[in-house]
Amino acid sequence: GESVGLHLPTLSVQEGDNSIINCAYSNSASDYFIWYKQESGKGPQFIIDIRSNMDKRQGQRVTVLLNKTVKHLSLQIAATQPGDSAVYFCAETNQAGTALIFGKGTTLSVSS
Amino acid sequence: DAGITQSPRYKITETGRQVTLMCHQTWSHSYMFWYRQDLGHGLRLIYYSAAADITDKGEVPDGYVVSRSKTENFPLTLESATRSQTSVYFCASSPDTLSGNTIYFGEGSWLTVV
Repeated sequence: GESVGLHLPTLSVQEGDNSIINCAYSNSASDYFIWYKQESGKGPQFIIDIRSNMDKRQGQRVTVLLNKTVKHLSLQIAATQPGDSAVYFCAETNQAGTALIFGKGTTLSVSS
Repeated sequence: DAGITQSPRYKITETGRQVTLMCHQTWSHSYMFWYRQDLGHGLRLIYYSAAADITDKGEVPDGYVVSRSKTENFPLTLESATRSQTSVYFCASSPDTLSGNTIYFGEGSWLTVV
């Protein structure tokens, strides 16, 4: 079946450091991946996405890397800020391409 | 622009009662989704709908019923609530193409079953 998971449930960093959040997926046929940020008491918010024909995509302070060989996805946040503190989820489309399947999430805590 | 709204935001109900969570979106998006979020499980897909009158099961559909008589509404019903259905429920919508930045989530409905 489909499953998406993250390596670590929590990550603590100092302000200004770079953060790396990892995600492993099991469906080798997945062709689209997304990272979401969820702040306390709110719904998930889109951060960045990547298609399987790419191995890297950059946004503002964020980079997503995709390694299809080992079915691994990572989110890199540059110069992490206290406002980045949240739970981060990776997600992939289901086999039909009609819905998103989410991983369990990593809680990022940024201290000043 | 109201976007996507869920109601009620907070609900306490008793075991065995029927509960309906409402979801309304103002964009005329084709796709709508219901997820539940529990500690240790992340977000799990309950049901989704590709268009009015079309619904499909997700990962955890048991104990839930959905309908989509109108494009803008996608209610989720717990026909006989159980304690295991205590959770935060998120509704989401997306236009035709399933791209991450076009999937919009509501603010969530906190449901407690006692």
